[in-house]
Amino acid sequence: NAGVTQTPKFRILKIGQSMTLQCTQDMNHNYMYWYRQDPGMGLKLIYYSVGAGITDKGEVPNGYNVSRSTTEDFPLRLELAAPSQTSVYFCASSYSAGIDTQYFGPGTRLTVL
Amino acid sequence: KQEVTQIPAALSVPEGENLVLNCSFTDSAIYNLQWFRQDPGKGLTSLLLIQSSQREQTSGRLNASLDKSSGRSTLYIAASQPGDSATYLCAVPDYGGATNKLIFGTGTLLAVQP
Repeated sequence: NAGVTQTPKFRILKIGQSMTLQCTQDMNHNYMYWYRQDPGMGLKLIYYSVGAGITDKGEVPNGYNVSRSTTEDFPLRLELAAPSQTSVYFCASSYSAGIDTQYFGPGTRLTVL
Repeated sequence: KQEVTQIPAALSVPEGENLVLNCSFTDSAIYNLQWFRQDPGKGLTSLLLIQSSQREQTSGRLNASLDKSSGRSTLYIAASQPGDSATYLCAVPDYGGATNKLIFGTGTLLAVQP
């Protein structure tokens, strides 16, 4: 199993550009999550999904969109990049809620200039 | 709203020392608490998950304890090694855990000096 994979690893965007961060898991997990990690701030949940076709907002959803058309993929879309979106983005997945640990991808480091 | 705090923010110890990392949470109605390790430039790796009904979990040189009533958890690392150097984060599920949305602490950066 590759686990949770994310692409790209690094990206520099100009203000106003758009991009999609890709996330794929091969563990047949129902739950998937997007977090951002700012220096010294811990991780904050952006969006999550409890299954294909079902998504919901987390703590910091503004400026982002997601979709979940398959169990494996959970892309995160930035429509109009802003400097405040400079961060490290982590995708995670888990089989269920409540008692199951989350498995994290290696992250995407995004800089918006 | 659940808040998770980790103290200290950074810790430096000589190799071989036993050490304790602390995690506090404001809402004691949690399903579980997890400890993660994060190496520089990498994702998070789950170390230990303690269910709300448990008091502690052990994995090798790591021992995590949970005291729900006081809103505290500790991660004990025995006989520390330079390879233990990393950031350690604790996390609890939000809203009791129905969706497994995690609330993270800000982490403790551990440096073990050879």
